[in-house]
Amino acid sequence: AQSVAQPEDQVNVAEGNPLTVKCTYSVSGNPYLFWYVQYPNRGLQFLLKYITGDNLVKGSYGFEAEFNKSQTSFHLKKPSALVSDSALYFCAVRDAGINKFYFGSGTKLNVKP
Amino acid sequence: NAGVTQTPKFRILKIGQSMTLQCTQDMNHNYMYWYRQDPGMGLKLIYYSVGAGITDKGEVPNGYNVSRSTTEDFPLRLELAAPSQTSVYFCASRGVGTDTQYFGPGTRLTVL
Repeated sequence: AQSVAQPEDQVNVAEGNPLTVKCTYSVSGNPYLFWYVQYPNRGLQFLLKYITGDNLVKGSYGFEAEFNKSQTSFHLKKPSALVSDSALYFCAVRDAGINKFYFGSGTKLNVKP
Repeated sequence: NAGVTQTPKFRILKIGQSMTLQCTQDMNHNYMYWYRQDPGMGLKLIYYSVGAGITDKGEVPNGYNVSRSTTEDFPLRLELAAPSQTSVYFCASRGVGTDTQYFGPGTRLTVL
């Protein structure tokens, strides 16, 4: 069965500090992994994805994520947080060859000035 | 391009009423999805479609129906609304050979 876990409901970080939002996954086959961001009263926006290749993927707004196959993790990172990064972040997975996506429960990121 | 559009933005229903949530995309995407978002629960897949005339169930299909008569439109039907269907509903689409989903702005539904 496919599933995604985001163990932290909320992450608090000071502006300028590095941030990490955690995600672990479970799939039967090869994982396609994604991060989306949701601002209040808006739909989800794509940030980045891992399909194959380099384990470190770079995305929009200075975000990056590291795929770790042995730990089945895909943590989202940013070297220096901005107040404007405050939003709800979702990790998602798709099993290669299957058309369904599975989302985590979301992590609220609060960046304080 | 408008992308993915959803109507209405908000709706209040009484128990037992029915309604259709509309979703339209203008990107000629084959794949379309309906999700519901409940607080602290993330997004759950209700139904999806891989092309006109083809639909399939997701994780939480009970109480909903869909149809896909054209590539552009993917309406979601609630036949007998229940309080448990109070949620925010998102439609999304993606093209063949890509994995990025494009989301609509959502419909906030309350069933009283």
